[in-house]
Amino acid sequence: DTEVTQTPKHLVMGMTNKKSLKCEQHMGHRAMYWYKQKAKKPPELMFVYSYEKLSINESVPSRFSPECPNSSLLNLHLHALQPEDSALYLCASSQADLRRDPTGKNIQYFGAGTRLSVL
Amino acid sequence: SQQGEEDPQALSIQEGENATMNCSYKTSINNLQWYRQNSGRGLVHLILIRSNEREKHSGRLRVTLDTSKKSSSLLITASRAADTASYFCATVRFSGSARQLTFGSGTQLTVLP
Repeated sequence: DTEVTQTPKHLVMGMTNKKSLKCEQHMGHRAMYWYKQKAKKPPELMFVYSYEKLSINESVPSRFSPECPNSSLLNLHLHALQPEDSALYLCASSQADLRRDPTGKNIQYFGAGTRLSVL
Repeated sequence: SQQGEEDPQALSIQEGENATMNCSYKTSINNLQWYRQNSGRGLVHLILIRSNEREKHSGRLRVTLDTSKKSSSLLITASRAADTASYFCATVRFSGSARQLTFGSGTQLTVLP
């Protein structure tokens, strides 16, 4: 199973709403990632979790709050978003254990994304 | 932040022709990867080339790497309409136990039937 599942596929929310994006993988990967992608642009890294601990936060505004409740799940909690936060949000996972990935390939497996619109 | 630039930004070819995309990067790398993204979907890993390799093949894909010029190219031979997608190069950066991918700006490939 090389699948990363993201829900919901589409989300429309107002600026005062609170919502969450979910991501799940069962490949035994211990690194999980959130990316934001605007139209016709490359994905931009937001957060990295390694062994369920936040290891990288790329200066993301606090209205985005990540959570990794266990090794298979990754959430992104959204609160008081702005219209400019409308984008495709992608989750990915990869091996973090150097014993399983000694050459450091870091091939990432992506979900299909959540298309978020903030009104 | 983006690691590098890709050119062309957009490429339109006829089915059966070859497509070449180029990628430049700025820092030293451990490996360089190419990903494909169909419109509005997630990315799919295509091929990886290590810093000590110069060329790699996988099916209709050929990747070259020139570390002295900090550049890579992806060649898709005998293109098909189904190859229509965006193609991104990505470089790996280590940060403790985590490893980051930094993507190039991407090339939008359109293959006309």
